Amino acid sequence: ETGVTQTPRHLVMGMTNKKSLKCEQHLGHNAMYWYKQSAKKPLELMFVYSLEERVENNSVPSRFSPECPNSSHLFLHLHTLQPEDSALYLCASSQVGGDLNYGYTFGSGTRLTVV
Amino acid sequence: AQKVTQAQTEISVVEKEDVTLDCVYETRDTTYYLFWYKQPPSGELVFLIRRNSFDEQNEISGRYSWNFQKSTSSFNFTITASQVVDSAVYFCAPLRQNFVFGPGTRLSVLP
Repeated sequence: ETGVTQTPRHLVMGMTNKKSLKCEQHLGHNAMYWYKQSAKKPLELMFVYSLEERVENNSVPSRFSPECPNSSHLFLHLHTLQPEDSALYLCASSQVGGDLNYGYTFGSGTRLTVV
Repeated sequence: AQKVTQAQTEISVVEKEDVTLDCVYETRDTTYYLFWYKQPPSGELVFLIRRNSFDEQNEISGRYSWNFQKSTSSFNFTITASQVVDSAVYFCAPLRQNFVFGPGTRLSVLP
């Protein structure tokens, strides 16, 4: 596989459930990102991992918990979510420090619905 | 502070028309990159072009062309002879440390 792969593509979960979103990149990049895209709102940066260390956390509620076990994998653990957390969650990767010739490479996203 | 303005929220054109999407980027930075991304209904963000702040040459790639003017902080994107497959949300995004995305412009190309 090439590029950035996100699973699952669609997820419906109840407010008391615990689930995880997975992102995998096959590009040899050293930074990975989670973005949230809600209806009629701009893309919001949630978390940044560079060299497997979290370097940014944009005031995201603790019910979202990221994990980056290595430079190729990124997870977003979800628990006790609210209906307003329903959104498209996009993962991206990039090479930090070098020339970002093509900017970020994005995955296809996970469409999350909280019921 | 950075600010991205894509004043056109939605645009509808008929196939084969030319269409220009506007982007204005406000920054105090002297060095920065600007990108355009396309988000089709499938959801992923597709890279279209990168331009750095020192390069004001216009660029053409097939039916796509870009006009960057640093003096007005504008980085406009034109699609010539639009096609239905061009229907998507288009984002102008400056790159500093991390991407700051504007609200995007939803383009609908009608047959």
